[in-house]
Order: sequence, then C-alpha cells, then structure tokens
Amino acid sequence: KNEVEQSPQNLTAQEGEFITINCSYSVGISALHWLQQHPGGGIVSLFMLSSGKKKHGRLIATINIQEKHSSLHITASHPRDSAVYICAVRRIGGADGLTFGKGTHLIIQP
Amino acid sequence: EAQVTQNPRYLITVTGKKLTVTCSQNMNHEYMSWYRQDPGLGLRQIYYSMNVEVTDKGDVPEGYKVSRKEKRNFPLILESPSPNQTSLYFCASSLTGRDEQYFGPGTRLTVT
Repeated sequence: KNEVEQSPQNLTAQEGEFITINCSYSVGISALHWLQQHPGGGIVSLFMLSSGKKKHGRLIATINIQEKHSSLHITASHPRDSAVYICAVRRIGGADGLTFGKGTHLIIQP
Repeated sequence: EAQVTQNPRYLITVTGKKLTVTCSQNMNHEYMSWYRQDPGLGLRQIYYSMNVEVTDKGDVPEGYKVSRKEKRNFPLILESPSPNQTSLYFCASSLTGRDEQYFGPGTRLTVT
C-alpha cells in the first residue's frame, strides 16, 4: 500500500463547479504539500500545511492530522485549473525529502 | 528572478554513455533535491542535499551520483545510463528543506 493515496485519480467537471481532491497518508508527517503540474510539465508549489487551513485565491487546502487526511478545494473552477494536482508529505524520522501521491488529473470543461 | 534551472531540458543518449544533468538555483537555498517522475509511479526522490558537501540517498538512488561543491549547484550524474533510467527528472530547492520547494522545469531523458 502506498504511503500517500490520492482520490480521485481522474476528475472531469464543468466550469464553475466546486472541486475537491483528497489525500490520505499512513505515516507520521511534519508537513503536507499540494503541488500543481500543468500539461507542459512544470511543477508549482500551491500550499504547505502542518495544521488547519490555508486559502489562496480560489484554492483552499485543509488538513486533519488526527485523521491523516488533507483536501484541496477549488471554488468556481475554470478551464485553466486543468492540471495534475499532487499531494506530498514530509515524513517524521525519515529521509529529509518528500513522499508523493500519484496525482489527480483534473479537467475542467468550458 | 528567483528560479531553479536545469540543463539540458531534453536528452537522448545511449546505454553506458556517462551524462550529467545540471541544476542551479539563485535563491541561496540550503536544501536541494532530485526527483524522477514515471507514469503510474509518480514522483520519487533520488538524492537530496542539506547543504554544501552534505548529500544523502532518497528512495531510488541506484545508478545515480550527486555532488554539492557549491551552494547553488547540484548536478545529477549517471555514470552508466540504462534504459530503465528513461524518465522525467526534476530538481528542486528550498530554504531549509522544511519549507516550500521550488522546482526546476524538468529534464526529459531517454536512454536507448
């Protein structure tokens, strides 16, 4: 079983819909990252969380440490939000790097 | 402009021919890391460096070498590339390793 699981793997929605992407992990972590990868391949960091909730524009990320779960929400989705969204965790006591989920491929149709 | 650069962006090579992929950052970050991305497997860490002359293995280090002689540079060396190292490679950096990571644009490597 992977240490970081994302759902859904693929998501197609209509413009304007509220989007939720989930990330569950099975290890102790000190932080969780949400990343965005556009079709061109570049990776951008969206959020780093260790507790609670963060908001940036139409994006909201939450984390529940007790339940080992995080969600990324997109409000008023737009075709330019189409991308792969990747959850990554920094493990406590492990190598000082990130362990990644396999990503959620999001397509927003106009 | 704050950035992480990688070169080359695309490379096709043959089995056994040594190659180096360069990575450079201009943000004075202490932490740098290499990842590979493969379909169905996602991103996996190869090596990382906490500071100059300090490097350590990630999850998939076999077949790779790194060095960190200067703070800004962290080259990835494939001494004898094999077809299973065909992949998309990303370099990343962060201030301390415990904060936001900045990714390079990626290097698509094909080994025939």
